[in-house]
Amino acid sequence: NAGVTQTPKFRILKIGQSMTLQCTQDMNHNYMYWYRQDPGMGLKLIYYSVGAGITDKGEVPNGYNVSRSTTEDFPLRLELAAPSQTSVYFCASSPLTGLSSYNEQFFGPGTRLTVL
Amino acid sequence: AQKITQTQPGMFVQEKEAVTLDCTYDTSDPSYGLFWYKQPSSGEMIFLIYQGSYDQQNATEGRYSLNFQKARKSANLVISASQLGDSAMYFCAMREGGSSASKIIFGSGTRLSIRP
Repeated sequence: NAGVTQTPKFRILKIGQSMTLQCTQDMNHNYMYWYRQDPGMGLKLIYYSVGAGITDKGEVPNGYNVSRSTTEDFPLRLELAAPSQTSVYFCASSPLTGLSSYNEQFFGPGTRLTVL
Repeated sequence: AQKITQTQPGMFVQEKEAVTLDCTYDTSDPSYGLFWYKQPSSGEMIFLIYQGSYDQQNATEGRYSLNFQKARKSANLVISASQLGDSAMYFCAMREGGSSASKIIFGSGTRLSIRP
């Protein structure tokens, strides 16, 4: 299993440009998440999904959109990039809901995005 | 609303000493789970340990243990016999039960530095 993969690893955008961050997991997990991590800070939840066709907002959803057409893929869309969106973006997946250590999140390697 | 607080931005500890990283949380849900993750300088997120709100005993995983004080809403991570490789950012995270069981929120993190 490749686990959670993210592309690209690095990207530089100009203000106002758009892009899609790709996330794919091959573990058949129902739950998927997008976080951003600003330098020296913790992770902030942007959006999450409990299954194909179902998404919900997290703590900081403004400026982003998501879709979940398949179990495997959970792309994150930035429509009008702003310098405040400069961050490292992590995608994660989790097998089940409920309260168990077996429901830990598995993280991708991250995408480092800079908006100039 | 759920909330996670880590009050120690940074800590320095001598090698082989034990260290405690603080985490307090706030939730009105009686069912929840608490996670600790390690993030080394390479950037990946590594799952360390989990504690469920109904678990009778404090969780342990090798050199990691969780000092869970439910009444005080604290879930401190204890690392025994610290090693140079323990130098990293450490994040506490919480997942509530019920309808919010799919959402996992992180604290701001503690940067741990181990001195030789």
